[in-house]
Amino acid sequence: GENVEQHPSTLSVQEGDSAVIKCTYSDSASNYFPWYKQELGKGPQLIIDIRSNVGEKKDQRIAVTLNKTAKHFSLHITETQPEDSAVYFCAASKGSNYQLIWGAGTKLIIKP
Amino acid sequence: DSGVTQTPKHLITATGQRVTLRCSPRSGDLSVYWYQQSLDQGLQFLIQYYNGEERAKGNILERFSAQQFPDLHSELNLSSLELGDSALYFCASSVGGGSDEKLFFGSGTQLSVL
Repeated sequence: GENVEQHPSTLSVQEGDSAVIKCTYSDSASNYFPWYKQELGKGPQLIIDIRSNVGEKKDQRIAVTLNKTAKHFSLHITETQPEDSAVYFCAASKGSNYQLIWGAGTKLIIKP
Repeated sequence: DSGVTQTPKHLITATGQRVTLRCSPRSGDLSVYWYQQSLDQGLQFLIQYYNGEERAKGNILERFSAQQFPDLHSELNLSSLELGDSALYFCASSVGGGSDEKLFFGSGTQLSVL
């Protein structure tokens, strides 16, 4: 079945530097790719998503890129800040009648 | 605040017992999802309801059951509890039932089985 691999499991970056988290999916029919951020003690929150008809999407300091040929998508966070420290989950879906398949999560640590 | 309400926030119980977790979705959302998150683990999808009907089932144990009521709130029942059931249980809601929609998560119920 569909599988989503997420790397790295933990990422530590200096405040102000950029962070990149990568996910690889197995089903080429996947067409929706959201990213969720989970802060300590809270539920996950959607921060950005992309659909397969778009190669890149930006929202202020965060961006997501999609490479359909290689079947991977990445989350880019620039000018990292302490409040970016959280666990980030990627996911993939083939469409509304299929379940969302989640990556294992990446713990992002921003060092002051 | 996501608009999704989960109660209780914390639950401590003993092995063999039965508990009920409650979720109220955002106003207007018809779909409710239940997820389990064990310590340092990812999100495990349990079950989804849409407008009162079961829509999809994930890795939900037979000891677990759920339902969605006419007012759209949902309950997750966990019975014959084992130590390994200790986890954070999240409820999420969405407007429709499609997996390509934004999910709104509650703050979770932390279950501790002693």
